[in-house]
Amino acid sequence: GDSVTQMEGPVTLSEEAFLTINCTYTATGYPSLFWYVQYPGEGLQLLLKATKADDKGSNKGFEATYRKETTSFHLEKGSVQVSDSAVYFCGAGSGSRLTFGEGTQLTVNP
Amino acid sequence: EPEVTQTPSHQVTQMGQEVILRCVPISNHLYFYWYRQILGQKVEFLVSFYNNEISEKSEIFDDQFSVERPDGSNFTLKIRSTKLEDSAMYFCASSEAGVGYTFGSGTRLTVV
Repeated sequence: GDSVTQMEGPVTLSEEAFLTINCTYTATGYPSLFWYVQYPGEGLQLLLKATKADDKGSNKGFEATYRKETTSFHLEKGSVQVSDSAVYFCGAGSGSRLTFGEGTQLTVNP
Repeated sequence: EPEVTQTPSHQVTQMGQEVILRCVPISNHLYFYWYRQILGQKVEFLVSFYNNEISEKSEIFDDQFSVERPDGSNFTLKIRSTKLEDSAMYFCASSEAGVGYTFGSGTRLTVV
């Protein structure tokens, strides 16, 4: 089955810093790729997605590009805010199942 | 914005008891899912449900677990005889076309 490996956390940044959270996947086919965000005490919210190679997903200043050659879907944001503090999960979906990475805790300090 | 609603938000149960976790998916969605997250660990797939039957299940989803869509709106997860290791956050999700799920806020199950 699919597997997803995420950059280990926690990650601590100052406001306005550049963010990268690495994500790589293994899959037998070409899964759809996702980033979900989980704020404290809440469920998982879809942040962005890409369904085929070279697609770029973007939302709220975050973006990630589906790289088939490196089997990666790294999350980036040019300037983080305190309100971006959350746990970020990379996911790969084939068929009816989503496989998630371990999650990366991001803390942004003012 | 349409939401997936889960009840209760927190359930405490004694080991060996049966629990039913409830979910109301988004009304026009056709695919339904349960995931769980043990504290501090990754979110794990349990089961997917489409057209009134299980379409896929993980190795976690053993005979202790069952799912049901008892009416046109609810989707339930039953754990027959809870164990301590069933303590986790359980997330329901739904989707219109099988990708890009919407998750609920979760039910925190504590087995004592």
